[in-house]
Amino acid sequence: NAGVTQTPKFQVLKTGQSMTLQCAQDMNHNSMYWYRQDPGMGLRLIYYSASEGTTDKGEVPNGYNVSRLNKREFSLRLESAAPSQTSVYFCASRGVETGDPYEQYFGPGTRLTVT
Amino acid sequence: KNEVEQSPQNLTAQEGEFITINCSYSVGISALHWLQQHPGGGIVSLFMLSSGKKKHGRLIATINIQEKHSSLHITASHPRDSAVYICAVNSYGGSQGNLIFGKGTKLSVKP
Repeated sequence: NAGVTQTPKFQVLKTGQSMTLQCAQDMNHNSMYWYRQDPGMGLRLIYYSASEGTTDKGEVPNGYNVSRLNKREFSLRLESAAPSQTSVYFCASRGVETGDPYEQYFGPGTRLTVT
Repeated sequence: KNEVEQSPQNLTAQEGEFITINCSYSVGISALHWLQQHPGGGIVSLFMLSSGKKKHGRLIATINIQEKHSSLHITASHPRDSAVYICAVNSYGGSQGNLIFGKGTKLSVKP
């Protein structure tokens, strides 16, 4: 049971480049989340998916797009990276299958630097 | 004003000390979470509370719903407890299951 996995772990982009962050979970959870974490700020929600086939904006969606490819996978795309998107990105999932319906399980994070 | 406030922001303790981290929130909640983030970056859930008190090993979490306040206590602290501790809540007004996070408390325990 790998839990929540994210790739890549580290990435450096130049301004204007695009990339996709991948997230997968093997707990059969319905809900999946993408967060960013910046120094001095709490985790902030970028997008979430309450179930397969649905996605919704969170607190800071500008500059990002998401795809819920299937129940397991939820990807985050930066179409034209900007230095303000330098951050650590976390994926998380939640579901009744692992006991408590409110508990979120986090991936290891992706450290992204945009120069 | 942030909906979830933690104090202190930073905390340094000597090994063996009793530690308290506080969390106050301004919204109605269905649950409150304490999370731990180690220097390597991974985030794990420690507790989920909707009332009362929970204990796991040397960690104790309490919540007072009327006062909108929770505390995380660590007894007999150890250098391996050094981490960032994050308080988060599920609010009644938000989308089901979504969390609102505090900024975290960075704890350093010296040997």
